[in-house]
Amino acid sequence: DAKTTQPNSMESNEEEPVHLPCNHSTISGTDYIHWYRQLPSQGPEYVIHGLTSNVNNRMASLAIAEDRKSSTLILHRATLRDAAVYYCILRDRINDMRFGAGTRLTVKP
Amino acid sequence: ETGVTQSPTHLIKTRGQQVTLRCSSQSGHNTVSWYQQALGQGPQFIFQYYREEENGRGNFPPRFSGLQFPNYSSELNVNALELDDSALYLCASSLEGQGSGANVLTFGAGSRLTVL
Repeated sequence: DAKTTQPNSMESNEEEPVHLPCNHSTISGTDYIHWYRQLPSQGPEYVIHGLTSNVNNRMASLAIAEDRKSSTLILHRATLRDAAVYYCILRDRINDMRFGAGTRLTVKP
Repeated sequence: ETGVTQSPTHLIKTRGQQVTLRCSSQSGHNTVSWYQQALGQGPQFIFQYYREEENGRGNFPPRFSGLQFPNYSSELNVNALELDDSALYLCASSLEGQGSGANVLTFGAGSRLTVL
């Protein structure tokens, strides 16, 4: 399985942008890059996904490096509600999704 | 549209017992995946069910088994419970069949199992 590497933890101030990095140097051509987050006492929640091009949605933006060996999840204005564990996951045509340890984001008021 | 619902939300069992956890998938979804999440760790893939058959399995022993029903709901069964089985069990549904990695999973809130 292609694997991802994320920092264990990051801190941000409220209302500031947050850039969460993810390295995936062994990514294959068919792997999609997915991001999920897990708030305390909840199941994981879909954030965004992409293949090659940068993606934007109402929650976040996903910036994918040209060689696809890394990506960055961007929260444009962090709120206290964004405090969660963020998971970067590679998914191919094989229908399962394998999580790593993720990045624990702390947002300070 | 309704999301993924899991039951029970919490349960306590003793070592050696058997447990059944249930999951109702999101409307329109045809695939269910099960995950085990120990405290402080990321979810670990147990297995996935598509068209009522197991369609992929993680590194879990055979005492972890499952079912998917015609309405796409699912059960996770664990026999001969061990202390290490204490965890949050998450169910996720998705619409599969196109063989694409673009498909998104919708998770339930989980069932927290404590084995004493």
